[in-house]
Amino acid sequence: NAGVTQTPKFRILKIGQSMTLQCTQDMNHNYMYWYRQDPGMGLKLIYYSVGAGITDKGEVPNGYNVSRSTTEDFPLRLELAAPSQTSVYFCASSYPSPGQGTFYEQYFGPGTRLTVT
Amino acid sequence: EDKVVQSPLSLVVHEGDTVTLNCSYEVTNFRSLLWYKQEKKAPTFLFMLTSSGIEKKSGRLSSILDKKELSSILNITATQTGDSAIYLCAVMKGNTGFQKLVFGTGTRLLVSP
Repeated sequence: NAGVTQTPKFRILKIGQSMTLQCTQDMNHNYMYWYRQDPGMGLKLIYYSVGAGITDKGEVPNGYNVSRSTTEDFPLRLELAAPSQTSVYFCASSYPSPGQGTFYEQYFGPGTRLTVT
Repeated sequence: EDKVVQSPLSLVVHEGDTVTLNCSYEVTNFRSLLWYKQEKKAPTFLFMLTSSGIEKKSGRLSSILDKKELSSILNITATQTGDSAIYLCAVMKGNTGFQKLVFGTGTRLLVSP
């Protein structure tokens, strides 16, 4: 199992450019997530998906879009990049928790370091 | 607003020392608390704590949750240079199925030889 893979590893964008960060998981997880981590800060949830065709906003969705056409893939789109989007982006996936005291951890990809200048 | 606070923010110790990292939280709809280790890349999972007072151990690492005090500690005994990393605490909240994680800012641990 490759787990969660992300491409590219690094990217420099100019202000106003667009790009798509790719994320793929091979663990057949229903749930997928996008986080950003700013220097010295914890991870913040951008968007999440509970299954193919279903996505929802997290804490910091502005300036981003997502889609989920398959179980495996969850790309994150940046439109009109801004310096405030300079960050490290992590994709994660997990099984849904059945509740009743049983919860499943999230598995993280290696991250994409994005700089917008 | 949900809040997860970790202390100290950073810590330098010598190899062989024992360290205790702290995490306190104010989160609605608490489900469980997780500890991750983050080296250069992705956070890797260490522990998930759901019940108060039950210690989880893995080698030299151990952790315990105190739901009354809304806090958790992560202990590392006989530290090694390979323990140098950022340790992230996250609280899982929400209803059955979707698990939202609220992260703290992390404790940066440096173990010197």
